[in-house]
Amino acid sequence: EPEVTQTPSHQVTQMGQEVILRCVPISNHLYFYWYRQILGQKVEFLVSFYNNEISEKSEIFDDQFSVERPDGSNFTLKIRSTKLEDSAMYFCASSESYRNEQFFGPGTRLTVL
Amino acid sequence: AQSVTQLDSQVPVFEEAPVELRCNYSSSVSVYLFWYVQYPNQGLQLLLKYLSGSTLVKSINGFEAEFNKSQTSFHLRKPSVHISDTAEYFCAVLSGGYQKVTFGTGTKLQVIP
Repeated sequence: EPEVTQTPSHQVTQMGQEVILRCVPISNHLYFYWYRQILGQKVEFLVSFYNNEISEKSEIFDDQFSVERPDGSNFTLKIRSTKLEDSAMYFCASSESYRNEQFFGPGTRLTVL
Repeated sequence: AQSVTQLDSQVPVFEEAPVELRCNYSSSVSVYLFWYVQYPNQGLQLLLKYLSGSTLVKSINGFEAEFNKSQTSFHLRKPSVHISDTAEYFCAVLSGGYQKVTFGTGTKLQVIP
């Protein structure tokens, strides 16, 4: 069964450093998403991406964040200058269309020291 | 706007007893509803979904949920729980016109032997 994959599973970084989280969505899906879950809190939407551009983003997704689909398979989330409060589990998701269920990857745990 | 309320943050239940995890949503337009399960230190797995059609939906491992439009609810039930059902369960909503899934705060189901 096709699944969303994410790398790395755990990333530790120093405050102020740039990180790139990688995702490989399901191959025939056209919509891609990033969510995050701060420890002990609920899952929050960050951004959705379709046709090589951001289609919707939350207030959390400020100028420190960017997304990219550098090739036909990868979908990345970049945080330019990490802050302590960026420590969270980041989930990538994909869907065939925006009216279908979203399939989530296993997540990348980001720890900012 | 769309929102999800899960009033119960934790639900302890004895093995083989029935359980109901409550979920209420708010949306001004048609909705798609989901239950996701998160096992300890793992990602989000889709448990079941309501997109259209029959209001009673079932999962392969014995869970079921019923979409009740008049009460704006999508409660999750299982007639007899197993130790392996211990996990956190998230109710989620996707409204027409939106691309983001909004999650509830989650309910931790603890099955007691």
